[in-house]
Amino acid sequence: GAVVSQHPSRVICKSGTSVKIECRSLDFQATTMFWYRQFPKKSLMLMATSNEGSKATYEQGVEKDKFLINHASLTLSTLTVTSAHPEDSSFYICSARDPPQGPQYFGPGTRLTVL
Amino acid sequence: GENVEQHPSTLSVQEGDSAVIKCTYSDSASNYFPWYKQELGKRPQLIIDIRSNVGEKKDQRIAVTLNKTAKHFSLHITETQPEDSAVYFCAASMNSGNTPLVFGKGTRLSVIA
Repeated sequence: GAVVSQHPSRVICKSGTSVKIECRSLDFQATTMFWYRQFPKKSLMLMATSNEGSKATYEQGVEKDKFLINHASLTLSTLTVTSAHPEDSSFYICSARDPPQGPQYFGPGTRLTVL
Repeated sequence: GENVEQHPSTLSVQEGDSAVIKCTYSDSASNYFPWYKQELGKRPQLIIDIRSNVGEKKDQRIAVTLNKTAKHFSLHITETQPEDSAVYFCAASMNSGNTPLVFGKGTRLSVIA
């Protein structure tokens, strides 16, 4: 299947700092990518849909000013958690479909711990 | 919007037995139904998917059935092995590139040797 990478895999930061997570499609182009958050022993919750060259679409309850998404190219989307707090600690996973109407493939995830 | 319900939340089976996980969805416009396996700390991995023009699909020990009228679909794993132990998620969406998957809450499968 298609390959999606994510960086970093793990980050620990102090409260109040900002953290940027990168999601890349390695062997295909993705005009749309999806960002999910997963708390321990819970399901994947969609945060936003990232659209190349336009604004992201955020799910209800997700603060767009806190979770900044940029999809500047067909292979890269970034999620920036601004002014992170301990309650933002979670597993963040991106995904993309390949082909566009095909299966959705996930990145390896980023475990964020905010102290 | 779409809502996906998944049952059971936990399932224990003896090695060699079959496991069945069931999901229902609410949006009749959904036409794509994948199943993912997620091991602890890892990414979800697609194991099988089915589209609404098909009632059943099989891949070795794994099969998925779909009943569009009743809006439910099921995952069947036969001859279970300890390495099948993981969390399984069903999902549903419309079959378009900018439509995200809506996931069920997951089933933690334990295969006891």
